[in-house]
Amino acid sequence: QKEVEQDPGPLSVPEGAIVSLNCTYSNSAFQYFMWYRQYSRKGPELLMYTYSSGNKEDGRFTAQVDKSSKYISLFIRDSQPSDSATYLCAMSPYYGGATNKLIFGTGTLLAVQP
Amino acid sequence: NAGVTQTPKFRILKIGQSMTLQCTQDMNHNYMYWYRQDPGMGLKLIYYSVGAGITDKGEVPNGYNVSRSTTEDFPLRLELAAPSQTSVYFCASSHTGGRSYNEQFFGPGTRLTVL
Repeated sequence: QKEVEQDPGPLSVPEGAIVSLNCTYSNSAFQYFMWYRQYSRKGPELLMYTYSSGNKEDGRFTAQVDKSSKYISLFIRDSQPSDSATYLCAMSPYYGGATNKLIFGTGTLLAVQP
Repeated sequence: NAGVTQTPKFRILKIGQSMTLQCTQDMNHNYMYWYRQDPGMGLKLIYYSVGAGITDKGEVPNGYNVSRSTTEDFPLRLELAAPSQTSVYFCASSHTGGRSYNEQFFGPGTRLTVL
């Protein structure tokens, strides 16, 4: 079983739709949960991160963590063509003096159609 | 700040050749990383460094070597290139780990093909 599972998609939605992207994980030591956005032929960039369980909102984006189910989600409201990208979830356990190593999901390719 | 820069952007190698992928960051970050990204496989950590003179293996280190002589530079060396090393390589850096998460900043990547 992979440590982090992510549906690869592709996911195609019309402009304005609500998008839900998800990851599951198996390692209960994970404490930090991140979503990276990667445009075609570019490096990933951090979109959002959360610590432990709960929700975090930033504009049209909401990150949700359910540690009891080992499940994280990213919701995009009022999706725009500019949101078309690959979305990677990433996770990190808690260490004292951590090396900050991340475990990435395989990424979900999202296309928002105008 | 230029952030994390990588050279070259593209490279084609023949089997058995060697090359060095360059990575430089100007953010004075202690931590640097090398990842490879294969289609449908996500990002896999090759090597990382927590400071000048200190490096350690990641998940997929075989066939690669690294060095860290300065804070800014973290080159990745491929010896005896093999077709299995065809991939997109990303360098990243972050501030100290410590007891909280610190964002990793990624470079634009190097696309390597081994034929």
